[in-house]
Amino acid sequence: EPEVTQTPSHQVTQMGQEVILRCVPISNHLYFYWYRQILGQKVEFLVSFYNNEISEKSEIFDDQFSVERPDGSNFTLKIRSTKLEDSAMYFCASSASSVNTEAFFGQGTRLTVV
Amino acid sequence: AQKVTQAQTEISVVEKEDVTLDCVYETRDTTYYLFWYKQPPSGELVFLIRRNSFDEQNEISGRYSWNFQKSTSSFNFTITASQVVDSAVYFCALSVHYNAGNMLTFGGGTRLMVKP
Repeated sequence: EPEVTQTPSHQVTQMGQEVILRCVPISNHLYFYWYRQILGQKVEFLVSFYNNEISEKSEIFDDQFSVERPDGSNFTLKIRSTKLEDSAMYFCASSASSVNTEAFFGQGTRLTVV
Repeated sequence: AQKVTQAQTEISVVEKEDVTLDCVYETRDTTYYLFWYKQPPSGELVFLIRRNSFDEQNEISGRYSWNFQKSTSSFNFTITASQVVDSAVYFCALSVHYNAGNMLTFGGGTRLMVKP
């Protein structure tokens, strides 16, 4: 069964460092997303990406964040200068279309900023 | 703006009991989609079900059933004859029709603990 794959599963980084979280969405999906879950809290939408551009972003997704689809398979989230409060589980998701369909999530990358 | 409320933060049951997880949503859009996701202790988010706002037909899938009522803005989830493997956090989520696709608003989650 096709699945969304995220690497690494756990990343520890020092405050102020740049991190890149990687995702391989399901191959025939067209819409890609990043969500964040701070430990013990709800899952929050960060950004959606379609046709090689951001289609929607939340207020969390500030200038420190960027997304990219560098090739036909990968979808990345970059945090330029990490802060302690960026520590969270980051989920990548993809969906086949924009409506009337579900998003499938990867297993998540746990980011710990020290 | 959308909002999803899961009033039950934690539920504990004994195996084989039935359990219902409540979800109440708010949206001004007339077309929207409701979802349930399961997050087991391993951390991933597993899709369970999607319902469209124009389809109030309730559904049963094995031990799972869902009760969608637009009149009360609720989308409740029942597990019949619960099992220890059902122990997880369950999230209700809502999306509306945007060009952005599946921009989900999640509830706070309900942690279900099924004890043997």
